[in-house]
Amino acid sequence: NAGVTQTPKFRILKIGQSMTLQCTQDMNHNYMYWYRQDPGMGLKLIYYSVGAGITDKGEVPNGYNVSRSTTEDFPLRLELAAPSQTSVYFCASTWTSGGPYNEQFFGPGTRLTVL
Amino acid sequence: KNEVEQSPQNLTAQEGEFITINCSYSVGISALHWLQQHPGGGIVSLFMLSSGKKKHGRLIATINIQEKHSSLHITASHPRDSAVYICAVRSRFGDDKIIFGKGTRLHILP
Repeated sequence: NAGVTQTPKFRILKIGQSMTLQCTQDMNHNYMYWYRQDPGMGLKLIYYSVGAGITDKGEVPNGYNVSRSTTEDFPLRLELAAPSQTSVYFCASTWTSGGPYNEQFFGPGTRLTVL
Repeated sequence: KNEVEQSPQNLTAQEGEFITINCSYSVGISALHWLQQHPGGGIVSLFMLSSGKKKHGRLIATINIQEKHSSLHITASHPRDSAVYICAVRSRFGDDKIIFGKGTRLHILP
């Protein structure tokens, strides 16, 4: 298993540009999450999904959109990049929220800079 | 006040020392996670706890549900243990949210 994969690893955007951060997991996990990590701060939840076709906002959803058309993929879309979105983005997945298999598996992260 | 507080924020110790990192939380939880973030940025899940104690190699995690407190211990610390250790709690109240602490930066000197 590859686990959770994210692309790209690094990206520099200009203000107002758009991009999609890709996240794929091959563990058949139903729950998937997008987090951002700002320097010196804890991870903040942007969006999450409890299964294909179902998404919900987390703590800091403004400026982002997500979709979950398949179990494996959970892309994060930035429509109009702003400097405040400069951060490291982590995708994670887990088997189920309430059962014993709820260890979270994290992707390697995407470091995004908006200039 | 953050719902998940970790202490200390930073810790430098000599190789071989016994390390303790603490996590206190203020919400009802179904589970608590300890994560390790390597200097390169990757995050690895170390433990998931809902009660008692777990051990994996030189790492031990404990949780006291009544006191809303968890500790992560590292025995015989080694420079390769240098990383940021993150405590995260899963809310008990059906919204499946996970709340993260800001992390404890550990540096083990050879």
